[in-house]
Amino acid sequence: DAGVIQSPRHEVTEMGQEVTLRCKPISGHDYLFWYRQTMMRGLELLIYFNNNVPIDDSGMPEDRFSAKMPNASFSTLKIQPSEPRDSAVYFCASTLGLAGNQETQYFGPGTRLLVL
Amino acid sequence: GDSVTQMEGPVTLSEEAFLTINCTYTATGYPSLFWYVQYPGEGLQLLLKATKADDKGSNKGFEATYRKETTSFHLEKGSVQVSDSAVYFCALKGGGTSYGKLTFGQGTILTVHP
Repeated sequence: DAGVIQSPRHEVTEMGQEVTLRCKPISGHDYLFWYRQTMMRGLELLIYFNNNVPIDDSGMPEDRFSAKMPNASFSTLKIQPSEPRDSAVYFCASTLGLAGNQETQYFGPGTRLLVL
Repeated sequence: GDSVTQMEGPVTLSEEAFLTINCTYTATGYPSLFWYVQYPGEGLQLLLKATKADDKGSNKGFEATYRKETTSFHLEKGSVQVSDSAVYFCALKGGGTSYGKLTFGQGTILTVHP
């Protein structure tokens, strides 16, 4: 398997623009997570899905952020409008389950976002 | 809520030195504990894990023991290599309302010199 795939790897945009980050989880994984990594706040869970349904979005910072998972092989994280403080590395991760041998989360390479 | 505290870095060592990165946690119930490693430009990879008290996780010469009495999960390696240079994250997977969610420490940068 190719692992978790994220695109783009790098994104530079101007304040106020819409940004869409994409993720393809490992085939067969039922859970998908979106994280944000910054120097100030470290790694934060934004939202996670189970079988394409959002389960916990309590980490989404504000209404400018939205995430969807239209099918088992694709998810998007959208920021509209973007602000400089959204600059971070955004990771997607997937896992088979939440317990036992299925609980290991597999991370994608991340999208490095810079909002000017 | 759940939290993880790691020793502050960066940590700089010579090759073949002994490594310890301290990690303590606060959680309700009986969390699973993890160490993830992030190499430059890459995502996080699971290094090792332990799911109950006194379990020892090990991989690639790294070890960590789940100590419930001290709420700790310190990472150790007897002889580090230059290729071990990376950022190391301690994490826990909680229960209750936090079930399934990973809480990460702030990460410790390790640099190993030849």
